[in-house]
Amino acid sequence: DAGVIQSPRHEVTEMGQEVTLRCKPISGHDYLFWYRQTMMRGLELLIYFNNNVPIDDSGMPEDRFSAKMPNASFSTLKIQPSEPRDSAVYFCASSRTGLPYNEQFFGPGTRLTVL
Amino acid sequence: QQPVQSPQAVILREGEDAVINCSSSKALYSVHWYRQKHGEAPVFLMILLKGGEQKGHDKISASFNEKKQQSSLYLTASQLSYSGTYFCGTARKGNQFYFGTGTSLTVIP
Repeated sequence: DAGVIQSPRHEVTEMGQEVTLRCKPISGHDYLFWYRQTMMRGLELLIYFNNNVPIDDSGMPEDRFSAKMPNASFSTLKIQPSEPRDSAVYFCASSRTGLPYNEQFFGPGTRLTVL
Repeated sequence: QQPVQSPQAVILREGEDAVINCSSSKALYSVHWYRQKHGEAPVFLMILLKGGEQKGHDKISASFNEKKQQSSLYLTASQLSYSGTYFCGTARKGNQFYFGTGTSLTVIP
């Protein structure tokens, strides 16, 4: 299997611009997670989906952040408008079943820099 | 909500042992351990489930004290490849999941 695929790997944008991050989970995995990693806050769970349905978005920092999963093989995380404090590495991960019982497989991440 | 790990950082010589601790203030269903190398994604090492079941890496061991909501990761006879940042992750009811504060491990020759 190809593993979790994320694009782009690096994104540099200016404050106020819209940013869209993309993720393809491992085929057959029912859960998809979006994380943000910074030095200050570590790894934070932003939102997760089960069978394409958003279940918990309590980690999404602001209304500027939104996520969708239109089908089982694709998800997006959008930031509009972007701000310098959004600079971080964003990871997508997928899991076969619910988290208490199964591991997550992480994508390579998208390093976002907002100038 | 974020579990606390200790120590924050440790430096070992090849062949030495290390223990990394993870502590949560909430009741847990399971504890997960991941290792992340610089510039890479976290990679799964092990899950410890409530009730004693474990799954994961055969060269790394861990324990889970359900009463105390604590877990420890044991790295024995460390190798250079063990270097990285280790994160515990705590899973609670309803897929609530929190990564710990991280422990930086450096193995030197």
